[in-house]
Amino acid sequence: DAKTTQPTSMDCAEGRAANLPCNHSTISGNEYVYWYRQIHSQGPQYIIHGLKNNETNEMASLIITEDRKSSTLILPHATLRDTAVYYCIQKTSYDKVIFGPGTSLSVIP
Amino acid sequence: DTGVSQDPRHKITKRGQNVTFRCDPISEHNRLYWYRQTLGQGPEFLTYFQNEAQLEKSRLLSDRFSAERPKGSFSTLEIQRTEQGDSAMYLCASSLSPGNTEAFFGQGTRLTVV
Repeated sequence: DAKTTQPTSMDCAEGRAANLPCNHSTISGNEYVYWYRQIHSQGPQYIIHGLKNNETNEMASLIITEDRKSSTLILPHATLRDTAVYYCIQKTSYDKVIFGPGTSLSVIP
Repeated sequence: DTGVSQDPRHKITKRGQNVTFRCDPISEHNRLYWYRQTLGQGPEFLTYFQNEAQLEKSRLLSDRFSAERPKGSFSTLEIQRTEQGDSAMYLCASSLSPGNTEAFFGQGTRLTVV
């Protein structure tokens, strides 16, 4: 079963930052926070992952709280193509990916 | 395209028929995963291989389901005596292990049992 909790859905205005929260209060020391997203009718796509430091790549930024019990995925300038279901996953580097229901993000023009 | 490829993309079959799906992972990836996804749900884990060895099977994988990865490269997922409840998207993913790497997913095979 998924170990993280996320809001069911969120809206974001096009061009604004989308901030997607995730709670992972049971995360252990060797577990990472991974984010994937799934655009309608496509396979999931990896976005970013981190252990305890904040991470940034060309797609997004990941902010992890100091106690590691929660994190926020930030899409700095959301576009309509960012409309998708976003999954937050806690797992070790060798575990399989277990998906929860995720957050359905709608980017609104 | 050097990503994960799945074939076919769509399959319509009559109840009771057998179906087989194929997954070609990224070439150097030694792990291969199968997932099933129904409408409105997140993908559910079915099974995974490390090279040719099937290391884990979910309780969702009934005895009508069988997966193989005979040479540690491509994999097949067969469903025997299909039921309407088998209608779903079947996703394949691959990754490199050990190492802290992400899993790459294919576009899936959408199965409709009529």
